[in-house]
Amino acid sequence: GAGVSQTPSNKVTEKGKYVELRCDPISGHTALYWYRQSLGQGPEFLIYFQGTGAADDSGLPNDRFFAVRPEGSVSTLKIQRTERGDSAVYLCASSLNPRTGGGYTFGSGTRLTVV
Amino acid sequence: AQSVTQPDIHITVSEGASLELRCNYSYGATPYLFWYVQSPGQGLQLLLKYFSGDTLVQGIKGFEAEFKRSQSSFNLRKPSVHWSDAAEYFCAVATGTASKLTFGTGTRLQVTL
Repeated sequence: GAGVSQTPSNKVTEKGKYVELRCDPISGHTALYWYRQSLGQGPEFLIYFQGTGAADDSGLPNDRFFAVRPEGSVSTLKIQRTERGDSAVYLCASSLNPRTGGGYTFGSGTRLTVV
Repeated sequence: AQSVTQPDIHITVSEGASLELRCNYSYGATPYLFWYVQSPGQGLQLLLKYFSGDTLVQGIKGFEAEFKRSQSSFNLRKPSVHWSDAAEYFCAVATGTASKLTFGTGTRLQVTL
């Protein structure tokens, strides 16, 4: 597609539930990133995929968070046993090849609210 | 680990006035530096980036930024602000592999008419 697509745009869930957030990157972009942006803060890195593999998952806050990208295109961020502190905007970005200096293209994000 | 400081949380300027948003970074090697803009409910849009070469970088929408290694700064400037520039601005730094961005906390720009 023309841009990075994230679905849903908004998600409200109850504490303790499981959620999945989807990211559809720009076609052909091999690198994919997830960031989390809390209110009043800048985005914080969660995980980076190069192709199908997670090249850097150092930003995942704990083992309730997991992300996959099985075919090297669409990615899903999965959060188990959600907590109120997980409420934030989750941003996805893709890049053709960050090593050559290409900037990332961000999606509009999924606003997750845990009640 | 790298870090980014944006000392101004909120700035108000009049339309037509000049603008400078400050950004200081901490990183041991040569940084890759970025400025992004975020409008309400929107994703982040890249304004400009510095990887190497000329330290004065031109971006979209009439913005420019200057990399000053001696001051560890990468300030964003615009000579004449438009009302449509009102938004949140984020400075970011990446490692040499450009695989992960570290963002500042942002500066909210308000433009008065």
